[in-house]
Amino acid sequence: NAGVTQTPKFRILKIGQSMTLQCTQDMNHNYMYWYRQDPGMGLKLIYYSVGAGITDKGEVPNGYNVSRSTTEDFPLRLELAAPSQTSVYFCASEDPRRGIQKLFFGSGTQLSVL
Amino acid sequence: AQTVTQSQPEMSVQEAETVTLSCTYDTSESDYYLFWYKQPPSRQMILVIRQEAYKQQNATENRFSVNFQKAAKSFSLKISDSQLGDAAMYFCAYRRGTGNQFYFGTGTSLTVIP
Repeated sequence: NAGVTQTPKFRILKIGQSMTLQCTQDMNHNYMYWYRQDPGMGLKLIYYSVGAGITDKGEVPNGYNVSRSTTEDFPLRLELAAPSQTSVYFCASEDPRRGIQKLFFGSGTQLSVL
Repeated sequence: AQTVTQSQPEMSVQEAETVTLSCTYDTSESDYYLFWYKQPPSRQMILVIRQEAYKQQNATENRFSVNFQKAAKSFSLKISDSQLGDAAMYFCAYRRGTGNQFYFGTGTSLTVIP
């Protein structure tokens, strides 16, 4: 059981470049999330989705876009990368129907914008 | 926005000893959940323990237990018989009962000394 899979694990971007962070889960979870983790700052929610075709902004959405065309996939798009987007990005999923209140995380993508 | 505060950036404990990590939170809600997540060097976040605010009994999971003081808005994690594998970053998190968003603290880095 793969769980939540994120690709790539590491990436270096130049300022102004764009890229898509991929996230897929095989647990049929309706809820999916994108977080960024900055040193000493904890995790901040970028975007989330409660099902295919439904997305909503979190605390720090500026500079990012998401889509959710299927239950399994929740890609995060960075347009015009900036140094402030240097961070570790985590995708997570959850099945709220079970009432377990448990997030399943991917192993993260470390992104540097230079 | 909800706030979760972890006032101990770093903690250390001797192997086999007990350590307590602190967490306070701010909310006006009566229905919410509290969590402790562990982030080992592999970077993947793992749920350690969860507490429902309506439950007076403190949650316990093997060597991990919490001290939930609802009036004081305090939620500390006690790790008993510490093991080398417990070395990690620990994050406290809050979620409103009807909410989608998790709010994370800034984390406590735990070192286990052999």
